[in-house]
Amino acid sequence: QSALTQPRSVSGSPGQAVTISCTGTSSDVGKFDYVSWYQQPPGRAPKLMIYDVSKRPSGVPDRFSGSKSGNTASLTISGLQADDEADYYCSSYAGSYTYVFGTGTKVTVL
Amino acid sequence: QVQLVQSGAEVKKPGASVKISCKASGYSFTSHAFSWARQAPGQGLEWMGWVSAYTGDTNYAQNLQGRVTLTTDASTSTAYMELRSLRSDDTAVYYCSRMGMPATIGDYWGQGTLVTVSS
Repeated sequence: QSALTQPRSVSGSPGQAVTISCTGTSSDVGKFDYVSWYQQPPGRAPKLMIYDVSKRPSGVPDRFSGSKSGNTASLTISGLQADDEADYYCSSYAGSYTYVFGTGTKVTVL
Repeated sequence: QVQLVQSGAEVKKPGASVKISCKASGYSFTSHAFSWARQAPGQGLEWMGWVSAYTGDTNYAQNLQGRVTLTTDASTSTAYMELRSLRSDDTAVYYCSRMGMPATIGDYWGQGTLVTVSS
């Protein structure tokens, strides 16, 4: 199972919006609506930000939103803030009780 | 509140085994499965497998089949990950997570356990 493809880095100024893509295949992202997004600050554990493509857990700001089109899922961070700076990973259910993570994207706030 | 607390850092020699624990609290232990992932230094997350805390059913990533075993102990609300025949490229931070329903790898995560494999 190959990792989902994410851009290595994205950046934006405070207040701007950034979008991170997560490209898989018709066997994972394209087949199931079970895409999640995780935020991982340096040296910390991942934190769930989006699940089931577009649902937000309690406590996650509505600046974070998720979507999917075909084999590509996306995470958009609106109103970028300094503490949004972190690595972000997507993941997808891949069938047969297996899962796959994305390659990870470093978000930099300029 | 939900908490997952993992055991401490380990240093192992190549060929040895390691067993990491993940103690859960704040919810009904058997209501959620556990997933395990690892992260080599400077690298991304790698999914390792999952275990049902209710039935003990497991499924593992293909590249770790035969070397990893995931178990749970409901009497102590603890999940375990054992990795055998350790190699230097197994050096990583290992994370447990509580799986969200229906198919989320982790709605809550442990703090991570560093395993260093070195001769």
